[in-house]
This record gives sequence, structure tokens and C-alpha cells, in this order.
Amino acid sequence: EAEVAQSPRYKITEKSQAVAFWCDPISGHATLYWYRQILGQGPELLVQFQDESVVDDSQLPKDRFSAERLKGVDSTLKIQPAELGDSAMYLCASSLGAGGGTDTQYFGPGTRLTVL
Amino acid sequence: TQLLEQSPQFLSIQEGENLTVYCNSSSVFSSLQWYRQEPGEGPVLLVTVVTGGEVKKLKRLTFQFGDARKDSSLHITAAQPGDTGLYLCAGGESWGKFQFGAGTQVVVTP
Repeated sequence: EAEVAQSPRYKITEKSQAVAFWCDPISGHATLYWYRQILGQGPELLVQFQDESVVDDSQLPKDRFSAERLKGVDSTLKIQPAELGDSAMYLCASSLGAGGGTDTQYFGPGTRLTVL
Repeated sequence: TQLLEQSPQFLSIQEGENLTVYCNSSSVFSSLQWYRQEPGEGPVLLVTVVTGGEVKKLKRLTFQFGDARKDSSLHITAAQPGDTGLYLCAGGESWGKFQFGAGTQVVVTP
């Protein structure tokens, strides 16, 4: 069964350092999402890609966060510099991208970030 | 932005009991997904419902989408410890966007 891959699974860093997360969506999925999830809460969208284009990055803190999906396949999310408040689970999801609101998202295992 | 409210926030029950989790909104969604998430893992899809009034069953889990496509419920019969987790609902909007609820933490004790 096809899955969304993410790495690393865990990352511990010190504040002011740079961190990067990688995501490989399910093959053929045009839409890719990055979410941030605080423990015990629902995921919050950071950025949504349709192929290589950004569809929505309105909630992405652009002074320190960046995301790219250069070839419309895998994607990287970067934080520089990391702050204590960035400690969270970072989730990647993908969907076929058929639109119309009836798509289904599939999530990767996530990256647990701890900023010290 | 359409908001999804989940209730209750937390539910603790004994093995063998039944439970129901609710997901409500004042707005209409094109679809509704339910996920279960275990600590340290990503959400795992349980079901997608797209038709108003639709009922889907997955073993001991029954999912219902409201007639007006504004609300949904998840009912678990004879809960087991393996049902423990954070249950999330997500409403599908246009352009592939999804609105998540805050989740319901379910704990089933033996």
C-alpha cells in the first residue's frame, strides 16, 4: 500500500539553528500539504501545494519558514532560525488533487520537533 | 474559514462500553473525513463520507454524515483498548482545502 514518507521522524535542535523536513507524497498525488500540530490538538495548515505551485501559505510564518516543491513531487519545509515555540509535530499529507472538496488526504508519520 | 467543533474533548470509558463522538459546523462541507491518531504518529484515515445522510460501517465503527452535510458522528460499539487515540474530523472545502476539528481524545481502559 502506497504511503506518504517523511524524514526525519524526530529532530532535536537548539533555538536559532536551522532545521529541514522532507516529505515524499504518494505517487501521482498532485496536492501536498504541510501541517503543524500541537500535542492533543488538530493539525493546522502551513502550506498547500498543487504540483509545484503554492496554493495557500497564508498561515506560514514567512520570516522564518520556507517550503518548496521544485519538481512537483517531494517537498522540503525549512525553519530558520528555530524558536522554542516551534516545538510541535510537523505532518505532511497528500491527495490526488481532483478538487471539488471530495479529495481524501493521506498523512505521513510526521516529524516530532523539539527546540531547546 | 469554516469551523468544525468536536465534542466531547475527552472521553474515558471501560472496555465493552459504547461511545459517540460528534463533529459539528454551521457551514456545509463537500466531504467529511475521520482519522484516528496515536501518540507520535500521523493521523490514519478511517473513512470518507460525501453524501448527506450517508452511513458507513467499519467493523465496530459507524460513521454518519448529516443530511445537510454540516455535521457528522462516529459511534464505536463495544470499545476495546485498541480504540484508544485522538479522533479527528476534517471537512473538505473547495480547492482541496480541509478544515480540522480540535479532536476528541478517547481512552478505553481494560
